[in-house]
Amino acid sequence: DGGITQSPKYLFRKEGQNVTLSCEQNLNHDAMYWYRQDPGQGLRLIYYSQIVNDFQKGDIAEGYSVSREKKESFPLTVTSAQKNPTAFYLCASSSRTGRAGQPQHFGDGTRLSIL
Amino acid sequence: KQEVTQIPAALSVPEGENLVLNCSFTDSAIYNLQWFRQDPGKGLTSLLLIQSSQREQTSGRLNASLDKSSGRSTLYIAASQPGDSATYLCAVNTNAGKSTFGDGTTLTVKP
Repeated sequence: DGGITQSPKYLFRKEGQNVTLSCEQNLNHDAMYWYRQDPGQGLRLIYYSQIVNDFQKGDIAEGYSVSREKKESFPLTVTSAQKNPTAFYLCASSSRTGRAGQPQHFGDGTRLSIL
Repeated sequence: KQEVTQIPAALSVPEGENLVLNCSFTDSAIYNLQWFRQDPGKGLTSLLLIQSSQREQTSGRLNASLDKSSGRSTLYIAASQPGDSATYLCAVNTNAGKSTFGDGTTLTVKP
């Protein structure tokens, strides 16, 4: 079945540590996105990529980094510069905008906590 | 900057009732609007996508409308069931690929 796989499901970070969240899709989608969700709130865009080897900052990119070396993969690194990383992180993908907009498909999320 | 507001934040209804969830946005220059469902601790499931040129979309018991000029969308759920209990989010999308989400409406349908 086609879909988006996020791993791990739960992740714990020690102070000063960088951690990387994995996102893989087999939907052949060009665009991929990373969102952060805090309790009782909607999603906020961290980074997005519309094509391989290209990505743009979203609304809350500080303390995060991404790469897009392959179409199917869009890993997110939460760096030690992100002082409040505890949140639910969601990855999404969609067919490239520019044609009739296509819906975003989401993974099941990674819950990150501080040790 | 685009802002998306969903009202009410929470809603509790008896089974079988019809209900309406509201989503408003401040910048009408949107590409499309998408409604999602989120179960606790899970990702988002797409329910309906309305292009900026469309007025409504229907899927089963769900009907979503869009009034771009007034910056509003509604999600109508007919004959609600306990399995409809979840948080419903709307997202407004721009041509540049950016999405802005509302904070969601948490729906509880009581048997």
